[in-house]
Order: sequence, then structure tokens, then C-alpha cells
Amino acid sequence: EAGVAQSPRYKIIEKRQSVAFWCNPISGHATLYWYQQILGQGPKLLIQFQNNGVVDDSQLPKDRFSAERLKGVDSTLKIQPAKLEDSAVYLCASSLGKGYTEAFFGQGTRLTVV
Amino acid sequence: KQEVTQIPAALSVPEGENLVLNCSFTDSAIYNLQWFRQDPGKGLTSLLLIQSSQREQTSGRLNASLDKSSGRSTLYIAASQPGDSATYLCAVSDNFGNEKLTFGTGTRLTIIP
Repeated sequence: EAGVAQSPRYKIIEKRQSVAFWCNPISGHATLYWYQQILGQGPKLLIQFQNNGVVDDSQLPKDRFSAERLKGVDSTLKIQPAKLEDSAVYLCASSLGKGYTEAFFGQGTRLTVV
Repeated sequence: KQEVTQIPAALSVPEGENLVLNCSFTDSAIYNLQWFRQDPGKGLTSLLLIQSSQREQTSGRLNASLDKSSGRSTLYIAASQPGDSATYLCAVSDNFGNEKLTFGTGTRLTIIP
């Protein structure tokens, strides 16, 4: 079974530039999560989708971050404009949903904002 | 608001020893608890999932226990090996249907050969 795929693995941008990350969840998984993990900290939920609807985006900085999940499958997370404090690993995860919440994570995208 | 704490932040033990990692959470109304492993520069690998109605789960040398009423979980690793060196994270899911995972900050484990 293929796992959660993310790209790119690494990205370096200057502050005020924009960047986008892509995630392809495990086939058949209804729930998709984007997490931000700052060095030395646990992952923090940015946004959670159930199929193509948003379940929770309470911690998403909506003035600069946006995310979409087209057709309930792939998802993209965008940052525009980036700030230095956005430097982190962005993790995508998916789960079957419907109460069975074992989550499977991708390798993550390490973003460095200079 | 759910808060998850993991103590200690770092732990070093000699190879072959048994060890216990701790996780505590403030709101006992959880749906399940999951333990993950994270290697440097990598994503998270799911180790064990304990439903709120369960007391423990086992996989190989790993055993996770859950005491929901006291807000605690432990991950027991038997006969530790250098390959067990990694950061271990626990996460709780609050509500059925919500499925939001709240993570602790992790315990960085080093097994000394």
C-alpha cells in the first residue's frame, strides 16, 4: 500500500515570497491533515479536511496561509507571503475517517525562510 | 483546550535496558491515543493506537498502556536497541467525528551501544 506522498521535500525561499506544498493521501482515506512542526516542538494542526470539506482550521493563519483539497483527494497548502517564523516542517497526514483515526504521515516538507 | 505533556524531553539509556516513556493529557474525554516515532528529518511513523475503551496495546517489544481517568499513557520498550533511537511522540484524539490529533512535544531517546 502506497503511503502519504508529499512534495517538495525541501524548500528555501526569501521572506515575503510565496510557496506551495502538495500532498497525496493514502487511497480511500477521507480525512486529511496539515501539521506544522517547528524545530523541537510537537506538530501543530493547521487544517483538517473530511473529504473536501474543512473540519478544523482554527489554528491556520488565514491572512497568509490557505489550503484546498480538490475532489476530496490531493491537497495543497500555500503560504503567501512567507515570514521567517514560518520556517518549519510541514507534515501531511491522512486517516480513514469515520471514527477510525489511526493517522499515517508523509515525510514532510522542510521549509526554510531566509 | 487539550494539552499533552511528555516527560522527560530527552532520555539516554544503555543498550539492552527496558525503558518507559510517559505521556499525560489534561482532558480525559479522549477517543484514542496514538504513539509515533520520528527519525531525524523524517515524517512520523505510527507505532501503536489505543482506543479509549482499551487499557493497553502491544507490538513486538513495544507495549503502550492507557489510564484515561488519570490522563496518562506509557510506552514501554523492552530490551532496547540502538535502532530504537528516535523521538517518540504521543497524540490524543478528542472526539468521535472530530478526529483532531493533539500532540505532545516528544521524548528524544538515545540508546547507547
